[in-house]
Amino acid sequence: YVLTQPPSVSVAPGQTARIACGGNNIGSKSVHWYQLKPGQAPVLVMSYDSDRPPGIPDRYSGSNSGNTATLTISRVEVGDEADYYCQVWYADNDHVVFGGGTRVTVL
Amino acid sequence: EVQLEESGGGLVKPGGSLRLSCATSGFSFSDYSMKWVRQAPGKGLEWVSSISDTGRYIYYADSVKGRFTISRDSATNSVYLQMNSLRAEDTAVYYCTRAVTTVDPSDIWGQGTMVIVSS
Repeated sequence: YVLTQPPSVSVAPGQTARIACGGNNIGSKSVHWYQLKPGQAPVLVMSYDSDRPPGIPDRYSGSNSGNTATLTISRVEVGDEADYYCQVWYADNDHVVFGGGTRVTVL
Repeated sequence: EVQLEESGGGLVKPGGSLRLSCATSGFSFSDYSMKWVRQAPGKGLEWVSSISDTGRYIYYADSVKGRFTISRDSATNSVYLQMNSLRAEDTAVYYCTRAVTTVDPSDIWGQGTMVIVSS
């Protein structure tokens, strides 16, 4: 099962960043999102499509339908600059699958 | 505070072996599944292996199946990754992660340990 993400997204501070994750009928699966910053442990920022873990700002939201899941970051801040990865669990072979990652750059 | 601390990384020659350890604290270890995820230099995240809370269910990525072995020890609250027949493409930062079950997302990650396979 393949998850496809755009390599990069650029956004100005205060604007909205939308990060897509494409997969065949991904809407039937649960999608999770992770944030990676250099030198830091990865952080789960969205689980089960649209559930925000404790401590994640409500500027982060998620959706999932059809062949695309989306992580949306509203009112983007410089601190949101990072790599973001989507992930699903593929039941057919009990494998964890990651997308290729999207680098969010705050202009 | 929930903590995961990896150790055991280093430089190893192709064909060699290495054992990674992940010491955990701050939560009930026996109630959680554990996973290893790696990131090669300049590349994305790649799932390596998962082990259920009891150790009964174990899964491996195709790229490491037959070479890597995951295990856990409830006496020391630790999870391990024995890596044999290492290849250059196994060079990566290896992260230990926690999940409620092997199906669930990794809600806590360690800082990672670097493994370099090179002659």
